[in-house]
Amino acid sequence: GAVVSQHPSRVICKSGTSVKIECRSLDFQATTMFWYRQFPKQSLMLMATSNEGSKATYEQGVEKDKFLINHASLTLSTLTVTSAHPEDSSFYICSARGQANTGELFFGEGSRLTVL
Amino acid sequence: LAKTTQPISMDSYEGQEVNITCSHNNIATNDYITWYQQFPSQGPRFIIQGYKTKVTNEVASLFIPADRKSSTLSLPRVSLSDTAVYYCLVYAGFKTIFGAGTRLFVKA
Repeated sequence: GAVVSQHPSRVICKSGTSVKIECRSLDFQATTMFWYRQFPKQSLMLMATSNEGSKATYEQGVEKDKFLINHASLTLSTLTVTSAHPEDSSFYICSARGQANTGELFFGEGSRLTVL
Repeated sequence: LAKTTQPISMDSYEGQEVNITCSHNNIATNDYITWYQQFPSQGPRFIIQGYKTKVTNEVASLFIPADRKSSTLSLPRVSLSDTAVYYCLVYAGFKTIFGAGTRLFVKA
């Protein structure tokens, strides 16, 4: 099946710094990617939809200036957590929709962010 | 957007068949039903997808009644390694919203 890779898998940063997480579709072109956040023992929460070549669409309650999304190519989307604070510590997951119009999503391995 | 409802948790023993049912009352005509498995600190992994009736692959079966308002994931003989959270997703147009999922715990 299609492969989506995230990097880094784990990152620890100091409060106030910015962190960038990359999401790559390795063997297919993804015009649309999705970013989720997941807190312990909770479900995935959709943060934003990333569209290649255009601005991301953010879900209600997600600060677009804090979570910067860039989808500059058909195989790469990035999420930058700006001025990170401890409450931003979470598991961030990206996904890309497959070619078929059946809704199947391919997920990255996830990135665990810890803000000290 | 189609909303899904699943049991919060289920317990089973090794070797048993486990059936997890998901309700999606307002599923749209063009929506597919997809099930994912997630282990701690990993991204969800595709299990099976269907539109109607029954679909079977090497790891699971998916039963969808004619009205498509629910679906049942069947894991034939679970093992300890099947302990995970299982999500039922309905392709709602463009966005995919996760429900709470079902936490399956398989005991020896």
